[in-house]
Amino acid sequence: DTEVTQTPKHLVMGMTNKKSLKCEQHMGHRAMYWYKQKAKKPPELMFVYSYEKLSINESVPSRFSPECPNSSLLNLHLHALQPEDSALYLCASSKYTGGRGQDYGYTFGSGTRLTVV
Amino acid sequence: DQQVKQNSPSLSVQEGRISILNCDYTNSMFDYFLWYKKYPAEGPTFLISISSIKDKNEDGRFTVFLNKSAKHLSLHIVPSQPGDSAVYFCAASTGNTGKLIFGQGTTLQVKP
Repeated sequence: DTEVTQTPKHLVMGMTNKKSLKCEQHMGHRAMYWYKQKAKKPPELMFVYSYEKLSINESVPSRFSPECPNSSLLNLHLHALQPEDSALYLCASSKYTGGRGQDYGYTFGSGTRLTVV
Repeated sequence: DQQVKQNSPSLSVQEGRISILNCDYTNSMFDYFLWYKKYPAEGPTFLISISSIKDKNEDGRFTVFLNKSAKHLSLHIVPSQPGDSAVYFCAASTGNTGKLIFGQGTTLQVKP
């Protein structure tokens, strides 16, 4: 299994809703990431988890709350979002945060298209 | 401050010819570079990578060249195929953070 699986693929939520994005990988990777991509822009890093511990938070607003329950799962909890948070949210994983070459295996999921209304 | 730049938003190439996609960077601490291909509504798919200790890496039709003194890398696709039509992102990383910094992307169109 060489995939990163994200659910749901599409999500529409109101500004007062609470929802969660889920990400799963079974490649034995110990680093997992959340990226955000706006239309016609490159992906931008939000969070890095290394061995289930948060290692990087790129000054993301607290309405985004990541969680790594185990080495295979990564969640992103959403609460009180704004319309400008509408974007494609990408999960990725890699063998380690400092891997190189074949050791890296930096793999992205297909993303969750989030629309905040 | 954009640390990774892809100055050509789009490129159109005839099938069978060479496609050359360029990427420039400003941070001399970057030590690893990756190229990803992305279709609409999908996540980026890894293509090829290169370490800063090398100047060339080849994998099938894809070759990446790195010129450290010019802080420039390029992706060559030979021969180009219509299925290569997609957005191509250059990404760079440094140290052990796992953080990738992406360029803005170049849309490649390969015409039959």
